[in-house]
Amino acid sequence: EIVLTQSPGTVSLSPGERATLSCRASQSVSSRYFAWYQQKPGQAPRLLIYGASSRATGIPDRFSGSGSGTDFTLTISRLEPEDFAVYYCQQYGSSVWTFGQGTKVEIK
Amino acid sequence: QVQLVQSGAEVKKPGASVKISCRASGYTFTSYFIHWVRQAPGQGLEWMGMINTSAGTTNIPQKFRDRVTMTRDTSTSTVYMELSSLRSEDTAVYYCAREPPGAADGFDYWGQGTLVIVST
Repeated sequence: EIVLTQSPGTVSLSPGERATLSCRASQSVSSRYFAWYQQKPGQAPRLLIYGASSRATGIPDRFSGSGSGTDFTLTISRLEPEDFAVYYCQQYGSSVWTFGQGTKVEIK
Repeated sequence: QVQLVQSGAEVKKPGASVKISCRASGYTFTSYFIHWVRQAPGQGLEWMGMINTSAGTTNIPQKFRDRVTMTRDTSTSTVYMELSSLRSEDTAVYYCAREPPGAADGFDYWGQGTLVIVST
């Protein structure tokens, strides 16, 4: 099973700043089957990015995804107040879906 | 609009079973897979498996294979997930989520979640 490790665990930033979240896989994964989600307290996760770099419907263009192989990145170009949340990466491989442990983006 | 509506919260004793439903609307039910993901209190997301709503076939990871059953009723566009032999570690919010077949588009819609508490 592929393990996804996200870093940092928590990042403290101010609105307007840039956030760079990392997700590293224990072995190479297909970019086609890589996604990012946002989750706010008490809510279900929301799909942000699929196929490593494609924004889901309705997702603002300040969110972007990149990467390949074992290293993937979610970038939020300018943090808005509503972006403070937990972010999860996800991959599919060998008939199994796995999630990273999450990165919390908190207000500094 | 696409909606996945889950059944309400449950409180169960250790050793019991729980069956959660996920009713889909706003799209062609059999054109999308349904996954189940759980989240223990303060923890991350854990994938529990999926059902092909058209064929009725399932893909359940080894960890849950002997305790989880997933079924669907195409007449009501509802998917069910039953978890047996409950233990305290199964206390979590359980989500259903929709996936376009092919694994390339992520889980694009999610249910609101069902809290399951396992306690004596």
